[in-house]
Formats: sequence, structure tokens, C-alpha cells
Amino acid sequence: DAKTTQPPSMDCAEGRAANLPCNHSTISGNEYVYWYRQIHSQGPQYIIHGLKNNETNEMASLIITEDRKSSTLILPHATLRDTAVYYCIVIIYNFNKFYFGSGTKLNVKP
Amino acid sequence: GAVVSQHPSWVICKSGTSVKIECRSLDFQATTMFWYRQFPKQSLMLMATSNEGSKATYEQGVEKDKFLINHASLTLSTLTVTSAHPEDSSFYICSALTDRDLETQYFGPGTRLLVL
Repeated sequence: DAKTTQPPSMDCAEGRAANLPCNHSTISGNEYVYWYRQIHSQGPQYIIHGLKNNETNEMASLIITEDRKSSTLILPHATLRDTAVYYCIVIIYNFNKFYFGSGTKLNVKP
Repeated sequence: GAVVSQHPSWVICKSGTSVKIECRSLDFQATTMFWYRQFPKQSLMLMATSNEGSKATYEQGVEKDKFLINHASLTLSTLTVTSAHPEDSSFYICSALTDRDLETQYFGPGTRLLVL
């Protein structure tokens, strides 16, 4: 699986957009980008995933660069409840196994 | 939809005893479930993949005789920590693949194990 690189922590003001970057420069053509988050002492929560097109759902938007070497998760209007560790994971389609990196601790501040 | 539960949510046991943790898919059938372990301030570490009706496959470095996994039905997988020791104290989390989406894993709330 492709290795991912994320900043260890980020701050964001409540109500503003949170943009979380992820580098996956060794990604191959059949690998998807998945984003999960883990609120303290809970199981990870699925946010969004994509292959090469930008994706949007009720939680977030995922922007994948044209060369697919990096992506950005966007939370359009961050709230205090969005404070969590956000994980970017790259997996081969139909391989299923997730290997978590260290993620980004997002601190949403009032 | 895609709700995964775990039981118990936390457990304290004496060293040398065995502890069983259940993982259930509540509104879907899960042919594949996964077990993870997470130590404080660390990321999740994949322990094993559990397939219904067949033996689990373990990640390198995970003792299969120490962590027994049974996936007897399409909605239930169990992890038994045998002869638990204080170093087994951790947060154990399961996840499942739904029959509607074979790529996205849905996670349980986790089980916190403390071995005294």
C-alpha cells in the first residue's frame, strides 16, 4: 500500500473551513484514497473516499490532485465536534486491509 | 445503516485470565471483519482479518494462539485474549465490510481492556 504523510496537528477556528492535506506520492492507479476520523476514545468514523475525481458528501469534500499524489479533505464549516484525529488511507481496490498512519489531530477552537 | 457494535465496552480482568470481545454487525451481513488494537496516543494497528466460516489471517507479529478469532456467523466475530497480561491492556476495535459496499470499513465503538 502507498504510504501517506499528514501533518501531525492543525488548528481551525469554529465556523471556518478546515483543509486537511495528505501526501501519497507513491499511489498507484488502482488505489483509492479514504478518509476516516477518530474522536477521542471512539472507533473511527468513515468520512469519504475517492479514486481520481473530486467527491462531496454531507460531511466533507475530497479534492484529489490531477496526478493523484496528494489530496485535501475539506470540512466546510468546522464545529467543535469536528475535533478529532483524521486519517488518510490509501488502499488497493478489493484489497480491503487498512493500515493506519499517524493522522492529523485537528483542533477546532471557539 | 452500517452499524457495528462491540461488547463489552470496557473490561477489567486479572492477569492470566481470558477475555472475550464480541463484534456484531447490527443491520447488515459482514463476510469480513477486522480487528485492530490501539495503544494510548498511537494509531490503530491491524491485528487480523476475520472471514466468516474460515480461519482468520493474522498480521505479522500477532500471535494467533494469544488472540483467538472466531467468525461463526455473518453478523458476529469474537476476539478472545487468552491468558491476558498487563501488556495486553489496550483499546480493541473491530470493523466490518458491508455486503452493499465491499470497500468501506465501518468501525465499532471499541473495547477498552485493562489487565491488572
